[in-house]
Amino acid sequence: GENVEQHPSTLSVQEGDSAVIKCTYSDSASNYFPWYKQELGKRPQLIIDIRSNVGEKKDQRIAVTLNKTAKHFSLHITETQPEDSAVYFCAASKKAAGNKLTFGGGTRVLVKP
Amino acid sequence: DSGVTQTPKHLITATGQRVTLRCSPRSGDLSVYWYQQSLDQGLQFLIQYYNGEERAKGNILERFSAQQFPDLHSELNLSSLELGDSALYFCASSVALLSDEQYFGPGTRLTVT
Repeated sequence: GENVEQHPSTLSVQEGDSAVIKCTYSDSASNYFPWYKQELGKRPQLIIDIRSNVGEKKDQRIAVTLNKTAKHFSLHITETQPEDSAVYFCAASKKAAGNKLTFGGGTRVLVKP
Repeated sequence: DSGVTQTPKHLITATGQRVTLRCSPRSGDLSVYWYQQSLDQGLQFLIQYYNGEERAKGNILERFSAQQFPDLHSELNLSSLELGDSALYFCASSVALLSDEQYFGPGTRLTVT
């Protein structure tokens, strides 16, 4: 089955700096790659996603890139703010498997003011 | 607020007992997914239902079962509970069987003592 690895597991950045989280996946048939933000004790919240027919997608301070050949995708957060502090999860899915999400292990991001 | 509701928020029970977790998907969503989040296993897919039928299964224990009712709400039944079943249980919903975006409910925190 699909395996998603996520790095780093923790990330500490100064407010205003950029944060980058990287994920790799194993199943070349995966075609949908969402990113979720989870604050302590809360639900995972979909913040951005990318499909396999697109190489890059941006939404204000957040961007995601996908390299299908290398089977990796990354989340970029620019001009980080304290409210960006949370755990971020990448995931992968494919329609043939009913779109069930396989998650990476998560990255705990701490933005220091 | 994602529009997905889950009850109860918290559940404390003893080993060997049985509990039922409830999920109501977003209005119009036909597909429901259940995920388990524990400290050692991360976020893991359990089972998916679409319009009342089971569509995909993950590493769900035989002690666990689920169903989706005609009004599209879903229930996850956990029996013969063990300490290791303590976790956050999330349901997520999507519009159709092969829709990509999944929106998570607030979760049920289960503590087995």
